[in-house]
Amino acid sequence: DAKTTQPPSMDCAEGRAANLPCNHSTISGNEYVYWYRQIHSQGPQYIIHGLKNNETNEMASLIITEDRKSSTLILPHATLRDTAVYYCIVRFPYGGATNKLIFGTGTLLAVQP
Amino acid sequence: EAGVAQSPRYKIIEKRQSVAFWCNPISGHATLYWYQQILGQGPKLLIQFQNNGVVDDSQLPKDRFSAERLKGVDSTLKIQPAKLEDSAVYLCASSSLELAGYNEQFFGPGTRLTVL
Repeated sequence: DAKTTQPPSMDCAEGRAANLPCNHSTISGNEYVYWYRQIHSQGPQYIIHGLKNNETNEMASLIITEDRKSSTLILPHATLRDTAVYYCIVRFPYGGATNKLIFGTGTLLAVQP
Repeated sequence: EAGVAQSPRYKIIEKRQSVAFWCNPISGHATLYWYQQILGQGPKLLIQFQNNGVVDDSQLPKDRFSAERLKGVDSTLKIQPAKLEDSAVYLCASSSLELAGYNEQFFGPGTRLTVL
């Protein structure tokens, strides 16, 4: 079972910031938070990951609360091409059967023109 | 660089028939994954290979599903015989060795299987 909770859907206006929340209250000390997204009829795509510090890359920013029980993915200027299902996943960092990605049902982000 | 290749993209079969899917991972990626994604759900890992060895196949229905990666490169996933509930998208992904928590999986476009 997925160890995260996400809202099933969200809307965002084009050009505005999209803030996608994720709860992971049972996260353990060395589990990372990963975000993937899946555009319709495509395979999932990695976005970003973090342990406890805020992270930023060319796609998004990841804000993790100090107690690490929740996080927010921020798309600073959403475009229509960002319409997708966004998955928040927690996992251990190292290889083997214990670190598999367990996808929940994610959040369907609909960017409106 | 070329991405993960999968074929066929679509397949329609009748129940009790057999079917096979093929995956060619990104060159040099040691780890290969097969996922099943039923409509409306997130992908579920079926099997994970490290080179040509199986790391995790705990979710693979072994009475009807089989997978191999004989030379540690491309892989095939087979279903024999298929059931109606096997209708899904079958995704292949690959990744290189993990470094400091970073383990990006690269996914192929998937094969959409319809079992009638």
